Amino acid sequence: GAVVSQHPSRVICKSGTSVKIECRSLDFQATTMFWYRQFPKQSLMLMATSNEGSKATYEQGVEKDKFLINHASLTLSTLTVTSAHPEDSSFYICSATEFTVYNEQFFGPGTRLTVL
Amino acid sequence: DAKTTQPPSMDCAEGRAANLPCNHSTISGNEYVYWYRQIHSQGPQYIIHGLKNNETNEMASLIITEDRKSSTLILPHATLRDTAVYYCIVGLMDSSYKLIFGSGTRLLVRP
Repeated sequence: GAVVSQHPSRVICKSGTSVKIECRSLDFQATTMFWYRQFPKQSLMLMATSNEGSKATYEQGVEKDKFLINHASLTLSTLTVTSAHPEDSSFYICSATEFTVYNEQFFGPGTRLTVL
Repeated sequence: DAKTTQPPSMDCAEGRAANLPCNHSTISGNEYVYWYRQIHSQGPQYIIHGLKNNETNEMASLIITEDRKSSTLILPHATLRDTAVYYCIVGLMDSSYKLIFGSGTRLLVRP
């Protein structure tokens, strides 16, 4: 199957700083990428959908000025958590697909963010 | 989006079949049933999907009832590595394609 990578796998930062997480489709072109957040012992929560070259569509309750998403190419999407606070500590997971080709989303391994 | 209902947890013995049920009584005619699983601290992994007919692949079988209001994922010979949270999701396969995860079923495969 297709491979999606995320970088970094873990990040620890101080409160008030910004953190950028990268999501890459390694062997296919992803017209659509998704960002999820998962708190301990909870399910994945969809944050936003991004299509290459377009602005991301955020789910209700997700602050677009806090979680900046850029999908500038067919293989790369970035999520920037701006002015991070301890409550933003979570497991962030991206997925990617080209829905006209694939019948599934391919998930990255996730990024563990800890804000001190 | 249609919602799904799954039991919070199940267990089965290694080597036996694991049958995971899912109710999706409000599914619409063009929505697919997808199954993903998530092993601890990893990204979810696609298992199988279907629309109306039963489906089988190298990982599992998917049985969808005739009225499409429920389905069952079958792992024919569960192994310890199948211990994971299994998510049943319904959704469209078009430009609005997105997956809304419910709480899933935590499957524990016992030695």
